[in-house]
Amino acid sequence: DQQVKQNSPSLSVQEGRISILNCDYTNSMFDYFLWYKKYPAEGPTFLISISSIKDKNEDGRFTVFLNKSAKHLSLHIVPSQPGDSAVYFCAASIQGAQKLVFGQGTRLTINP
Amino acid sequence: DAGVIQSPRHEVTEMGQEVTLRCKPISGHDYLFWYRQTMMRGLELLIYFNNNVPIDDSGMPEDRFSAKMPNASFSTLKIQPSEPRDSAVYFCASSHRDRASGSGSYNSPLHFGNGTRLTVT
Repeated sequence: DQQVKQNSPSLSVQEGRISILNCDYTNSMFDYFLWYKKYPAEGPTFLISISSIKDKNEDGRFTVFLNKSAKHLSLHIVPSQPGDSAVYFCAASIQGAQKLVFGQGTRLTINP
Repeated sequence: DAGVIQSPRHEVTEMGQEVTLRCKPISGHDYLFWYRQTMMRGLELLIYFNNNVPIDDSGMPEDRFSAKMPNASFSTLKIQPSEPRDSAVYFCASSHRDRASGSGSYNSPLHFGNGTRLTVT
């Protein structure tokens, strides 16, 4: 049972344009969400997070949006750069619990 | 900060052999996690520890898998006997609990090692 789903295995975007990665979850108990970025042969690294008391969190070129009613979150990267090419994982947890449930990942390719 | 250190980086073994994966968490982190990454299932949590005590091992696929954390700076994940379907990348991660101002506590992000790529032939 996939509690966190990333339905797009891959995404290709032109350099300078906006990249939008999507994630859906089914467990209504989740109240803390994170995005991780992974380069080949490396472990995932933390990118940005959002608590369910907010609907938006921004950090530089990265913005995460949360729609609790739709159980949906998205990561916006603008402008996209070649170094953003990586696999992006969405993750969710219940605040106060350290256990993270991950999606399957979306491979983002930024084309020059 | 050396980060989470995993060894070996690559392991190739024959079916039926015992495999031991090792992890050194970041100093001061009191949570340690073992994840497995496969194409089919993505990143799935196998087990996690808090203060060296196993808290949730519900993700451990079978009795062939076992994990230990004898002290705060070392953990092992053992597969005995190994099977071809165990082939995957195994990640170790560590974290600590942050305390936000006001009520409640917040989770610090997990810090991952670079993983061990296991191939069982």
